[in-house]
Amino acid sequence: DAGITQSPRHKVTETGTPVTLRCHQTENHRYMYWYRQDPGHGLRLIHYSYGVKDTDKGEVSDGYSVSRSKTEDFLLTLESATSSQTSVYFCAIRVSGGAETQYFGPGTRLLVL
Amino acid sequence: GENVEQHPSTLSVQEGDSAVIKCTYSDSASNYFPWYKQELGKGPQLIIDIRSNVGEKKDQRIAVTLNKTAKHFSLHITETQPEDSAVYFCAASKDGGATNKLIFGTGTLLAVQP
Repeated sequence: DAGITQSPRHKVTETGTPVTLRCHQTENHRYMYWYRQDPGHGLRLIHYSYGVKDTDKGEVSDGYSVSRSKTEDFLLTLESATSSQTSVYFCAIRVSGGAETQYFGPGTRLLVL
Repeated sequence: GENVEQHPSTLSVQEGDSAVIKCTYSDSASNYFPWYKQELGKGPQLIIDIRSNVGEKKDQRIAVTLNKTAKHFSLHITETQPEDSAVYFCAASKDGGATNKLIFGTGTLLAVQP
């Protein structure tokens, strides 16, 4: 699991409420990513980070924000949750210095009612 | 931008048979192609990857081939076993630089029948 934990693992929330998902890594990797997974779409990049306080948008960033105040934590916030944000969210880290491969966490299943 | 197409979306094979999953990509600058296996309720796990300077790579029962001219790459699983049943994703990226954005295919559900 590359030392990645995600919390919560499951969440049910109501439309219009803010939601924050946390990704925690134990190996001080510089690059971290948030993806969402939906049937028929595979995994799509929401936001990514290339260092503390350094973040950028991915292909499906609308309605999401991120923060990275320390190397080990990457937070994803749904500012006002909508039903279209019901999905499974995965965090990934990039192992640099070699194959630059990405490794994924266990995921957070979010249901927005 | 890059687009990755993956086929088939579902694949059923008998135990012991071979399985082949194919992906095509659009950006000729892509040079890194990983394959992930995802079991139910878990995150994707890297099973094999290949770079554009290599045409084929093997790891026990799995292999990946790359045709840069045709811009397609394939995952081959030989002597399939029931534990190979999972969803498989291909991906492509332009390696290096400040970021390594992976573009994923839509996945193939592989069912290995005992």
